[in-house]
Amino acid sequence: DVKVTQSSRYLVKRTGEKVFLECVQDMDHENMFWYRQDPGLGLRLIYFSYDVKMKEKGDIPEGYSVSREKKERFSLILESASTNQTSMYLCASSLSGFGNQPQHFGDGTRLSIL
Amino acid sequence: SQQGEEDPQALSIQEGENATMNCSYKTSINNLQWYRQNSGRGLVHLILIRSNEREKHSGRLRVTLDTSKKSSSLLITASRAADTASYFCATVDTGFQKLVFGTGTRLLVSP
Repeated sequence: DVKVTQSSRYLVKRTGEKVFLECVQDMDHENMFWYRQDPGLGLRLIYFSYDVKMKEKGDIPEGYSVSREKKERFSLILESASTNQTSMYLCASSLSGFGNQPQHFGDGTRLSIL
Repeated sequence: SQQGEEDPQALSIQEGENATMNCSYKTSINNLQWYRQNSGRGLVHLILIRSNEREKHSGRLRVTLDTSKKSSSLLITASRAADTASYFCATVDTGFQKLVFGTGTRLLVSP
C-alpha cells in the first residue's frame, strides 16, 4: 500500500514565522500535491509538482512556496505565517497522468497560527 | 473553483440502510472520483469512473455517472457504523487535468 507521511499531525506557530510542512511518499510517485481544507470550502489546491525540482501553482498559491529536491519529498513553506493560514493541510501523491490516477493522501497537519 | 457539489450536505441513517449521495458538476470531465474522509484523517480513494462508463461497483459501493446531466451518485448498501465519514466527489476536466473537489457529504450511520 502507498504510504504518504506528513511530519506533524498538529502544529502551532506564531504570525510572521517561517513554517515548513514536510511530506514523504514511499511509492515512487511522480506527482505530489499540497491542499488546504477549510470548513465549507472543501479542498483547495495550493501547489503541485510533477517531477523533481518542478512545481506548478494551484488555485491558492499566495503566501506559500514549495520545494521538491527529491522525488519522495515535497515541502510546503509558509514564508511569513498569518492567522488566515490556520487550516488543515493535506499532502497527496499519484502516479503520472494527473487526474487519470487516484491520489493517495497523508493524514494531514492541523496548523494553527497565533 | 469547486467543480463538484454534493447533495445532501449531511445524511443520517441507521445501520443496515442504504445511503445515497449525489454529485453535480459543471464542465466536461475526463473522469470522476469518490473519496472518503474519516474525522481528522486524510482522504481515501474509493472509486474512479471514466467519462465513457455509466456504472461501477466495488464491494458495497455502487457509482453511477450521467454525463448528459453532469451528475454522479454514490450508493453504499447495507451501511455500517464504520461507514460514518465525509464523502467527496472530485472531477478532472478535459482541459486542466487537475482534481477539483466538492465540499462533501457528511454521513452518520447509527448502530
